[in-house]
Amino acid sequence: AQTVTQSQPEMSVQEAETVTLSCTYDTSESDYYLFWYKQPPSRQMILVIRQEAYKQQNATENRFSVNFQKAAKSFSLKISDSQLGDAAMYFCAYKWGGGSNYKLTFGKGTLLTVNP
Amino acid sequence: KAGVTQTPRYLIKTRGQQVTLSCSPISGHRSVSWYQQTPGQGLQFLFEYFSETQRNKGNFPGRFSGRQFSNSRSEMNVSTLELGDSALYLCASRRTGNYNEQFFGPGTRLTVL
Repeated sequence: AQTVTQSQPEMSVQEAETVTLSCTYDTSESDYYLFWYKQPPSRQMILVIRQEAYKQQNATENRFSVNFQKAAKSFSLKISDSQLGDAAMYFCAYKWGGGSNYKLTFGKGTLLTVNP
Repeated sequence: KAGVTQTPRYLIKTRGQQVTLSCSPISGHRSVSWYQQTPGQGLQFLFEYFSETQRNKGNFPGRFSGRQFSNSRSEMNVSTLELGDSALYLCASRRTGNYNEQFFGPGTRLTVL
């Protein structure tokens, strides 16, 4: 079964510091996508960053970057220069399968607190 | 462009009742997916509709059903509610052919007493 594990239920970081959220996944697929979603308190979930498994280069979106280790099946999210608005639940997700037959599995989330 | 909207935002039901939740996707998006979010199980995929047809389905019992209308609006129905159905139900829409970016709605918080 395809599973996604976020081993840190909660994390905290000081404003302006850097924090890394962990995610591991279990798969026998070679072609898949990985995502990090952010769900702020009482606000809509948004896509933060995505990574295609066949790309070796780590994805980056402004202050957000990933460390994708395909052999280790690890996909961590690094948030640099943390801001108060980064406080949210972060979900790691894994997608496999083609076309409309894709499957999408989420981790249970990591609650990030940003301290001023 | 307006985002994904869901109604109602909050709902309280009792065991055995049924409930219908509504989702309006972003204009032009024809795909709508539904998810159940609970503290214990996290976010779980329910099903996806495209052009009024269910195209993908998660591992939920038949009490959970959905439909999509010609204007792409979607409804989700849960019959014979159980306490464990208490959750935040999220819907998400995406552009045709783009399987890698979904836009989520604010969710409907369902409480079953």
